[in-house]
Amino acid sequence: EAGVVQSPRYKIIEKKQPVAFWCNPISGHNTLYWYLQNLGQGPELLIRYENEEAVDDSQLPKDRFSAERLKGVDSTLKIQPAELGDSAVYLCASSLGQGPNEQFFGPGTRLTVL
Amino acid sequence: AQSVTQLGSHVSVSEGALVLLRCNYSSSVPPYLFWYVQYPNQGLQLLLKYTTGATLVKGINGFEAEFKKSETSFHLTKPSAHMSDAAEYFCAVRGMNTGNQFYFGTGTSLTVIP
Repeated sequence: EAGVVQSPRYKIIEKKQPVAFWCNPISGHNTLYWYLQNLGQGPELLIRYENEEAVDDSQLPKDRFSAERLKGVDSTLKIQPAELGDSAVYLCASSLGQGPNEQFFGPGTRLTVL
Repeated sequence: AQSVTQLGSHVSVSEGALVLLRCNYSSSVPPYLFWYVQYPNQGLQLLLKYTTGATLVKGINGFEAEFKKSETSFHLTKPSAHMSDAAEYFCAVRGMNTGNQFYFGTGTSLTVIP
């Protein structure tokens, strides 16, 4: 079974440029998460989807960040314009249903903003 | 809201020595508990999880953790450290009454000294 796929793995951009990250969750997983991880820190939730619906986006900086999950499968996270402080690893995870099911993580996208 | 505290952001042990990584959670209701490991430039990988039943949980790579409700703890142990155990370890909780929201600790970096 394929795991969570993310692309690109690495991205270097200049500040004020736009950037987009893509995530393909494990087949059948209805819940999808985007996390931000700074160096030496734990993942911090940006947005959580239940199928197509964003059910928790309270930590998403909506002035520059946006996300979508069309058809309840793949998801895209966008930053426009990027700032120096956005340099971090962006992790995508998915899980199945409710209850004690764990999250499965992708390898992450390391963003460097110059 | 749930919270997770990992005592000790850095832990060093000698190869062959006991590994003990501490995790405490705050919750009025015992949550689901998880330990994840993250190797450099990779996503998080599940080591083990506690849901219900037996409080001593065995995971991959010889790790185990014990859920202690009275101490609100879920410490991770391994009897004998191996060089390959050097990584970042994250404790996470998922509340039974908070849907699919996960809460992560800030992580503990484990160094294994040869």
